[in-house]
Amino acid sequence: KQEVTQIPAALSVPEGENLVLNCSFTDSAIYNLQWFRQDPGKGLTSLLLIQSSQREQTSGRLNASLDKSSGRSTLYIAASQPGDSATYLCAVWGFDSNYQLIWGAGTKLIIKP
Amino acid sequence: DGGITQSPKYLFRKEGQNVTLSCEQNLNHDAMYWYRQDPGQGLRLIYYSQIVNDFQKGDIAEGYSVSREKKESFPLTVTSAQKNPTAFYLCASKGQGGRNTEAFFGQGTRLTVV
Repeated sequence: KQEVTQIPAALSVPEGENLVLNCSFTDSAIYNLQWFRQDPGKGLTSLLLIQSSQREQTSGRLNASLDKSSGRSTLYIAASQPGDSATYLCAVWGFDSNYQLIWGAGTKLIIKP
Repeated sequence: DGGITQSPKYLFRKEGQNVTLSCEQNLNHDAMYWYRQDPGQGLRLIYYSQIVNDFQKGDIAEGYSVSREKKESFPLTVTSAQKNPTAFYLCASKGQGGRNTEAFFGQGTRLTVV
């Protein structure tokens, strides 16, 4: 059964730093992996979708990588800003998950001005 | 603009009442999902639907019911059998063309039992 883990659970860094959030999954048979952002009391906003055949995707200051063989994805945030403060979640869609997304518990990120 | 609309944003339920949360999408997505999120917790799947007139139970379906009569709509009813319904409810949709499509979420409904 697919399991998704996000480490660390929380992270606090000064503004301007580059940072990396981690997402690991136990079964490499996936169709895609998606990163989301959730602000307090809000819905989830899709950040990046990486297909199983891709190694990385970029959007602005965000870069997500995927290494299926090792069961890992990273979300790199360049030049962090206080507005980046949010909870970041990753989810995988696997061959055996019957159209369900399997979720990590998220990393709560705080960027200090 | 294409997207997912959840309503209402806030909902208050009295003990013993059934309430229905609305979820509408105009993304032409086949799959739709309902999740529950408790404070400080991750997402838990309540129900999902891959196609009109078909839906499957998720991990915590007890006390909830859904229908999928139209592709655009996937309402969730929280019944009186759900003993602890206070939570944040999120609806999502996902296209199924080619297995590599994004999931999108609504802005959520916060349900409180009074």
